[in-house]
Amino acid sequence: KAGVTQTPRYLIKTRGQQVTLSCSPISGHRSVSWYQQTPGQGLQFLFEYFSETQRNKGNFPGRFSGRQFSNSRSEMNVSTLELGDSALYLCASSLSREAGANVLTFGAGSRLTVL
Amino acid sequence: GQQVMQIPQYQHVQEGEDFTTYCNSSTTLSNIQWYKQRPGGHPVFLIQLVKSGEVKKQKRLTFQFGEAKKNSSLHITATQTTDVGTYFCAGKGRTGANNLFFGTGTRLTVIP
Repeated sequence: KAGVTQTPRYLIKTRGQQVTLSCSPISGHRSVSWYQQTPGQGLQFLFEYFSETQRNKGNFPGRFSGRQFSNSRSEMNVSTLELGDSALYLCASSLSREAGANVLTFGAGSRLTVL
Repeated sequence: GQQVMQIPQYQHVQEGEDFTTYCNSSTTLSNIQWYKQRPGGHPVFLIQLVKSGEVKKQKRLTFQFGEAKKNSSLHITATQTTDVGTYFCAGKGRTGANNLFFGTGTRLTVIP
């Protein structure tokens, strides 16, 4: 079956702009988590959605937001982009009804560069 | 808040040498998972440990979960160039936020 699909794979934005990233989970997976990966900070948890509800949230400013649709597809949005937002944004899906209890399958990521 | 630290941050080994990465949590974990990320790739699940003191093997890889469920290790015997990548542990806390917290990762370089 198809894996986790993230779009776009690469994008370049300028400071102050906003960006929306999309993630389609594995069919049947209802949990979608988002992570930010930077060389200096590793994998930082952004948020997790399950059945269209945000179940967990990491320690990121309100400029970072997300949502999940009824088909489990998820989007994350970053407004008023800053240089420090340049990173690889990874989406991961899971069957998990209990957050963190099951295996995460990651997408290839969306690499955002902010100029 | 919960923190998961890994050591070492980087490791260079000659092909055929052994390699170990250690993962330590500030809180007790209900489970721990290990992922591998190849250069330019994304994290891929390797294994999950749930029981105190659990040991699991995958060919040349041996995973251990500490008795107190606060630490874990991954040991690779006789490394090969295909082992190159960053190894992450990820733990789920027993209380509080129940998402997975990823360790800082250990980047392994294997010199042929």
